[in-house]
Amino acid sequence: QQQVKQSPQSLIVQKGGISIINCAYENTAFDYFPWYQQFPGKGPALLIAIRPDVSEKKEGRFTISFNKSAKQFSLHIMDSQPGDSATYFCAATTLYTDKLIFGTGTRLQVFP
Amino acid sequence: DGGITQSPKYLFRKEGQNVTLSCEQNLNHDAMYWYRQDPGQGLRLIYYSQIVNDFQKGDIAEGYSVSREKKESFPLTVTSAQKNPTAFYLCASGDARKVNTGELFFGEGSRLTVL
Repeated sequence: QQQVKQSPQSLIVQKGGISIINCAYENTAFDYFPWYQQFPGKGPALLIAIRPDVSEKKEGRFTISFNKSAKQFSLHIMDSQPGDSATYFCAATTLYTDKLIFGTGTRLQVFP
Repeated sequence: DGGITQSPKYLFRKEGQNVTLSCEQNLNHDAMYWYRQDPGQGLRLIYYSQIVNDFQKGDIAEGYSVSREKKESFPLTVTSAQKNPTAFYLCASGDARKVNTGELFFGEGSRLTVL
């Protein structure tokens, strides 16, 4: 119930392509879904987040799509660049908890 | 500069020894967290604290201990009771008013290797 399942574990994309990372959850009490980006040897940093009352949120080349009925959400990186190469974590939380539940991470590599 | 400072960045320990990882923040955040990161397992919560002198166990607290004597500091001790302590440890903090919206700020991590 508390898990957030993330796929794929790793992803290789050519420069200019679209990177897609998917997450699924079971707990319908989750009501906030952030994505974190982590570069090697660094801590994760908040990238973008969405609430379930919104089906899509876009910030630059990064878009979150949210499907409440399917309990799934995904991160799309348009025009992927080598500088986007990092590990991406989806996460979920509720307004009534102090804990953030993370997915298992996706290692993205973008080749020129 | 405001942020979270973790030290040491790399640490080697012999089996049977306790080791303490430091985490200091100057963001004036009430909430602080310790996560453990292992390949393929994401980030797992060890302990968290919402206020000075109070803390709660996370999902994998066994073999770890923490203290929160000051708002700025949240050290983590990895004890000899932790069966598999080799990992990358991340400290995070957040504004208590925003923490339940998923907005955490992370340090750069401490990599612990048990020899």
